Amino acid sequence: SYELTQPPSVSVSPGQTARITCSGDAVSRKYVYWYQQKSVQAPVLVIYEDSKRPSGIPERISGSTSGTVATLTLSGAQVEDEADYYCYSTDTSGDPRGVFGGGTKLTVL
Amino acid sequence: EVQLVESGGGLVQPGRSLRLSCAASGFSFDDYAMHWVRQAPGKGLEWVSGISWNSDSPGYADSVKGRFTISRDNAKNSLYLQMNSLRHEDMALYFCAKGSRLSWDYGMDVWGQGTTVTVSS
Repeated sequence: SYELTQPPSVSVSPGQTARITCSGDAVSRKYVYWYQQKSVQAPVLVIYEDSKRPSGIPERISGSTSGTVATLTLSGAQVEDEADYYCYSTDTSGDPRGVFGGGTKLTVL
Repeated sequence: EVQLVESGGGLVQPGRSLRLSCAASGFSFDDYAMHWVRQAPGKGLEWVSGISWNSDSPGYADSVKGRFTISRDNAKNSLYLQMNSLRHEDMALYFCAKGSRLSWDYGMDVWGQGTTVTVSS
């Protein structure tokens, strides 16, 4: 079972706003990171430290946290945003360990 | 440009060992933590292990604790994963990933392309 819970799938039409949530106790204690993965390629970092955007990531992709829920928002979703998205954080409830959410398949059509 | 190139994957029998390597370039290797992450066929990402810049107090997933050992050689800009007592459930694509800070308890920012481990008799 995952200590970070994501919806398995989210579907939007092009131009709509897609929101992907990630919930768990780790969200309130440590930073959350978001990764985009297309097919079985190397994941790409799209948000780090809850809400910061790496260079090269479009401004329409944003992140936020509130309590134990982190949200990845894709404003004006485009067909090329279709991918799997994973949240990641560090679980410090016992021996520290990294933990990924189960992943969310974003469909834009 | 940051580059991470994994090697060492292959076919191995259950119960045997394998050592993965990751060659890093394009950044100051000893200024960053490093991680191993795996992805079983058709499944999501699973964090395996992380090591800080100075190799202090590495972390492991419960699923590999006691069987896998992460290490690094800063002089060689290299990361390693010694995998012992391999099981069918260890079969996956193994990614090397650069940490975003000195300590491994922060996330990763750049990933390699991965090396495949197949566990089968």
